[in-house]
Amino acid sequence: GAVVSQHPSRVICKSGTSVKIECRSLDFQATTMFWYRQFPKQSLMLMATSNEGSKATYEQGVEKDKFLINHASLTLSTLTVTSAHPEDSSFYICSARDSSQPQHFGDGTRLSIL
Amino acid sequence: DAKTTQPPSMDCAEGRAANLPCNHSTISGNEYVYWYRQIHSQGPQYIIHGLKNNETNEMASLIITEDRKSSTLILPHATLRDTAVYYCIVRVGSSSNTGKLIFGQGTTLQVKP
Repeated sequence: GAVVSQHPSRVICKSGTSVKIECRSLDFQATTMFWYRQFPKQSLMLMATSNEGSKATYEQGVEKDKFLINHASLTLSTLTVTSAHPEDSSFYICSARDSSQPQHFGDGTRLSIL
Repeated sequence: DAKTTQPPSMDCAEGRAANLPCNHSTISGNEYVYWYRQIHSQGPQYIIHGLKNNETNEMASLIITEDRKSSTLILPHATLRDTAVYYCIVRVGSSSNTGKLIFGQGTTLQVKP
């Protein structure tokens, strides 16, 4: 089946640091990628949708200057959390889709800001 | 996209069938029903999806009522590893590039020995 790889799986860093998370589709070309955030004991919340070569579309309430998304190729999207603060600590999950199959998810990145 | 309603939690005995219901009474004609599950601290895993007809794959069966206002996910022989949060989502399109997966609260299925 389709595989989506996310890296790193865990990040611990100091407040004010920028953190980059990578999402790769390993065996298909992802025309659309999605970024979600999940706080403890809550459901996944969609942050943004990105199509290859286009600017990401952010959901209401998500700061585009805070969460930079780049979808430069059909197999790679990156999420950069800029100047991260403790309230940005969360579980970030990417997913990818092409025109022939359902959306598949990575295993998530647990971000902890001290 | 249409909203779905699921019970917050269910228990199931190991080896028995787990039947997870989902109501989607406002579903539109072009919206598919998707099921995902999330095991603790992992990303969601795709299970199955359908439009009108019942569907079956190696993981589960999906039964959609004739009026499409509700569906049931069936895990035929639940194991302890099936303990997870199960999400029922309706979305426009099957494999097109339209539509987003919007997650509700899901059903926490606890499979007990």
